[in-house]
Amino acid sequence: DAGITQSPRHKVTETGTPVTLRCHQTENHRYMYWYRQDPGHGLRLIHYSYGVKDTDKGEVSDGYSVSRSKTEDFLLTLESATSSQTSVYFCAAGYDNQPQHFGDGTRLSIL
Amino acid sequence: KNEVEQSPQNLTAQEGEFITINCSYSVGISALHWLQQHPGGGIVSLFMLSSGKKKHGRLIATINIQEKHSSLHITASHPRDSAVYICAVRNNNDMRFGAGTRLTVKP
Repeated sequence: DAGITQSPRHKVTETGTPVTLRCHQTENHRYMYWYRQDPGHGLRLIHYSYGVKDTDKGEVSDGYSVSRSKTEDFLLTLESATSSQTSVYFCAAGYDNQPQHFGDGTRLSIL
Repeated sequence: KNEVEQSPQNLTAQEGEFITINCSYSVGISALHWLQQHPGGGIVSLFMLSSGKKKHGRLIATINIQEKHSSLHITASHPRDSAVYICAVRNNNDMRFGAGTRLTVKP
């Protein structure tokens, strides 16, 4: 979607390594979200942010941390990746407390 | 049981057919969203509705709050409509997503 860029788009890494995914937006949205998408499940919220340095946990936050030091960037970190965190990760942003615009996703494989 | 259930899971149609995708939910909501996810993975918001009906081009979304049910209709379907359609419900700061309906429209 316009204005939301995720990087990297694909990543393969090993169990136990740290991984950081980046979401960058150009629309000055206040709210930003990280979701994971797995087969048979709907998108599930990992963490969200409602402003710079303001974040909160979502439904599946264990094993993940986030940071938002600037309005435009929302980082998702897996401190020590596990195979269960293999997934497709989506970032989203919105001007009120609902995601309106989504990134194209990051496919993360943890071996 | 998921809080948001979509049916069918998979749907194959011939070009020109009228398509209906259903969404039922079990929680109180303030709004319901329909999203489209293309084969490349990108997700686009189609509709947000809290009552009644909305129309955009060949797409129509309806919601019945009392019955906790929404439908997405596609008229005169086209192969470019092939995608996964996702229903999501919002309650305050919480948003729950259905697993999606994979639509394939054959020429």
